[in-house]
Amino acid sequence: EVQLVESGGGLVQPGGSLRLSCAASGFTFRTYWMTWVRQAPGKGLEWVAKINEDGGGNYYVDSVKGRFTISRDNTKNSLYLQMNSLRVDDTAVYYCARNHYGYNSVDYWGLGTLVTVSP
Amino acid sequence: SYELTQPPSVSVSPGQTATITCFGDKLGDKYACWYQQKPGQSPVEVIYQDDKRPSGIPERFSGSTSGNTATLSISGTQPMDEADYYCQAWDSHTWVFGGGTKLTVL
Repeated sequence: EVQLVESGGGLVQPGGSLRLSCAASGFTFRTYWMTWVRQAPGKGLEWVAKINEDGGGNYYVDSVKGRFTISRDNTKNSLYLQMNSLRVDDTAVYYCARNHYGYNSVDYWGLGTLVTVSP
Repeated sequence: SYELTQPPSVSVSPGQTATITCFGDKLGDKYACWYQQKPGQSPVEVIYQDDKRPSGIPERFSGSTSGNTATLSISGTQPMDEADYYCQAWDSHTWVFGGGTKLTVL
């Protein structure tokens, strides 16, 4: 059974940093692209970043470029999102997601972790 | 940047066909997918690559894309289909979601 379990969310002040982690199990992690998607309270889904199988290729939404870094450790079956210079509008539930193999979509989602950026 | 536009809400009577649209420039040249999200839950993929249905998704869910519009259809809509639906496509290595459509079954 595919499982994606996020951790690392919490309350942080504007300008602060957080590192989200996602523990993956139930599939061959090193063969899948992985993605972070976020959802602000009461709002829609927003794609944040994705990373290829070996971590050598990563892509970001413009609003987080230069502040967020997606990475992975295939030896630990883990995905990460380092978030720096956090802003109030980064407040959201952050979902770890597995890319549908061979397609530009998500076939499995984690339950999400809440990041709150507030003074 | 690329944008996808969905109607904020759609209403349908039980047993009827619900149609949710997603508009984007030259969307027919890309691939669209659709997600269902119920309150307090993570999204679920219901259509990928325009018209493919993942295993476990009921046959009443179908997708199509033509021109600038992708369409999600739910035939014989059931009360359990009431949810938010999001389209998603990709453009130049970046992904974009539509704003979401709240489907009400009444």
